[in-house]
Amino acid sequence: GAVVSQHPSWVICKSGTSVKIECRSLDFQATTMFWYRQFPKQSLMLMATSNEGSKATYEQGVEKDKFLINHASLTLSTLTVTSAHPEDSSFYICSASDRVPDTQYFGPGTRLTVL
Amino acid sequence: AQSVTQLDSHVSVSEGTPVLLRCNYSSSYSPSLFWYVQHPNKGLQLLLKYTSAATLVKGINGFEAEFKKSETSFHLTKPSAHMSDAAEYFCVVSDAPGGSQGNLIFGKGTKLSVKP
Repeated sequence: GAVVSQHPSWVICKSGTSVKIECRSLDFQATTMFWYRQFPKQSLMLMATSNEGSKATYEQGVEKDKFLINHASLTLSTLTVTSAHPEDSSFYICSASDRVPDTQYFGPGTRLTVL
Repeated sequence: AQSVTQLDSHVSVSEGTPVLLRCNYSSSYSPSLFWYVQHPNKGLQLLLKYTSAATLVKGINGFEAEFKKSETSFHLTKPSAHMSDAAEYFCVVSDAPGGSQGNLIFGKGTKLSVKP
């Protein structure tokens, strides 16, 4: 149990376009979802935390207008990278917590490459 | 502020030999500590967590970790490596006490290779 999926697993896009990444909790209801970013040979860095039905809370230094997060249901959160640039190329990972916020379950990640 | 340092970016062992992945933490109070494993194309999986109840924590797949406050360490060990243990391992500290997960702060990861 406690499976989290992400789609797509990898995406290549042109500079200036927008890309949407989906994060789904497959067998539990996720009241809280987290979005992380990982550069090569770097730690995972928390970008934002979202609770179902409310606005996401962004970490310092993360542009909320560039990284749009929507958590409209208890099983789905989306991250949209708007007007992507090559420096946005990274590995994006989501995680989800259920009603007892004790453990985060992680998705497999999405590799974004911006040309 | 909390931080975590994984001392080795890559560890290589032979199958059947012991595994030691080192982690040091920095925390202004009693931390919550975790080890996660990431296999290729799979999500991060929780191996074990330190909840302050016992300093020696046993996890899944034969792994264990010992919390040593005096050394600010939380090293991950396994007596005998298996080929399936080859993966990336992350040491993680939380800003929430008692084993709960608040904001997670990740180490840079240690890649474990297992030779036949």
